[in-house]
Amino acid sequence: AQKVTQAQTEISVVEKEDVTLDCVYETRDTTYYLFWYKQPPSGELVFLIRRNSFDEQNEISGRYSWNFQKSTSSFNFTITASQVVDSAVYFCALSEAILTGGGNKLTFGTGTQLKVEL
Amino acid sequence: TAGITQAPTSQILAAGRSMTLRCTQDMRHNAMYWYRQDLGLGLRLIHYSNTAGTTGKGEVPDGYSVSRANTDDFPLTLASAVPSQTSVYFCASSEWGDYGYTFGSGTRLTVV
Repeated sequence: AQKVTQAQTEISVVEKEDVTLDCVYETRDTTYYLFWYKQPPSGELVFLIRRNSFDEQNEISGRYSWNFQKSTSSFNFTITASQVVDSAVYFCALSEAILTGGGNKLTFGTGTQLKVEL
Repeated sequence: TAGITQAPTSQILAAGRSMTLRCTQDMRHNAMYWYRQDLGLGLRLIHYSNTAGTTGKGEVPDGYSVSRANTDDFPLTLASAVPSQTSVYFCASSEWGDYGYTFGSGTRLTVV
């Protein structure tokens, strides 16, 4: 069975600090996708990044960066110079192989609440 | 703006009553899903539909039913609501072979 573990329930940082959110996953599939979603206080789910299992190239996008390591089954997310607007719940998710018939299932971690304070 | 529309935004429902949460997409995606979000548990799959006319059970299907009469609509019905169904419900869709989802804005349901 697929599993996503976000061991950090809540993280508090002071603005401008760097913060890393951890994600560890389990899967038997050789082809899979990993995602990070952000859920601000308004409640919607905002897509941040998608990575497939064949692409371990790490990525930087503005203040965000991602570290994907298949050897340790980890897909960590770092915010550099955090800002108050980064305060949100962040979910890591793993996409299972296609459900019978064509769809796919996302398995979510339990989320990490990030609080950025002045 | 293309995407998924969920209604209502929020609802308070008496236990034992029935209710249908509506979900409509305009992207012509084949697959649609219903998830519930609970504190400390993340999002869990309730039901899914790979294409119009077919549905399947997810992790937590008990107490819920769905139908998929056409490509665009995927309503979720609670036949007799119980307090444990208090949650935020998200509808989502995806195209076959595309591992990413488009999410609706959610429905906050409180069963009292």
